[in-house]
Amino acid sequence: DGGITQSPKYLFRKEGQNVTLSCEQNLNHDAMYWYRQDPGQGLRLIYYSQIVNDFQKGDIAEGYSVSREKKESFPLTVTSAQKNPTAFYLCASSPLPRGANGELFFGEGSRLTVL
Amino acid sequence: GEDVEQSLFLSVREGDSSVINCTYTDSSSTYLYWYKQEPGAGLQLLTYIFSNMDMKQDQRLTVLLNKKDKHLSLRIADTQTGDSAIYFCAESLYSGNTPLVFGKGTRLSVIA
Repeated sequence: DGGITQSPKYLFRKEGQNVTLSCEQNLNHDAMYWYRQDPGQGLRLIYYSQIVNDFQKGDIAEGYSVSREKKESFPLTVTSAQKNPTAFYLCASSPLPRGANGELFFGEGSRLTVL
Repeated sequence: GEDVEQSLFLSVREGDSSVINCTYTDSSSTYLYWYKQEPGAGLQLLTYIFSNMDMKQDQRLTVLLNKKDKHLSLRIADTQTGDSAIYFCAESLYSGNTPLVFGKGTRLSVIA
């Protein structure tokens, strides 16, 4: 079945460690996005990519890095520079142009907890 | 700039109607969306409305758009316990190739 797969679903990290969250899609979508979700804060855009080997910062990119070496993959690294990394991370994808209704397709999320 | 505002909580009794409200600031918005998030899961598109429409109905869901006041609402008729979730309003600008801007989400609790 086509869709977006995020892994791991749960991740624990010690302070000072970098971690990488995986996001893979087999929908043949051009664009991929990373959002961060905190209680009462909604979704905030971290990075997005509209084409392989290119990506743009979102509203809260500091302390994060991404790569887009393949169309189907958009991993997010949470670095030790991110001061409050504990959150729920959501990956999404969409075709470009974004189709008749502009829908984003979301993965199931990864919950990162820093100990 | 873009900003989308929603109230954070709503509680209704099973069988009643729920109305979730959203305001947005950018009059250039092309599409407006309602997404649903169940606990511990990703978001799923519930419905959307194009900016040249005033209303859209889809089974139990009714979306109303007031462009003058930049106000969007989602009405769920005959609310069921399975409707308990977080509902996000989102907007998209221009051609739709820019990332969506989401509100903070409204947590709907349905009381049996």
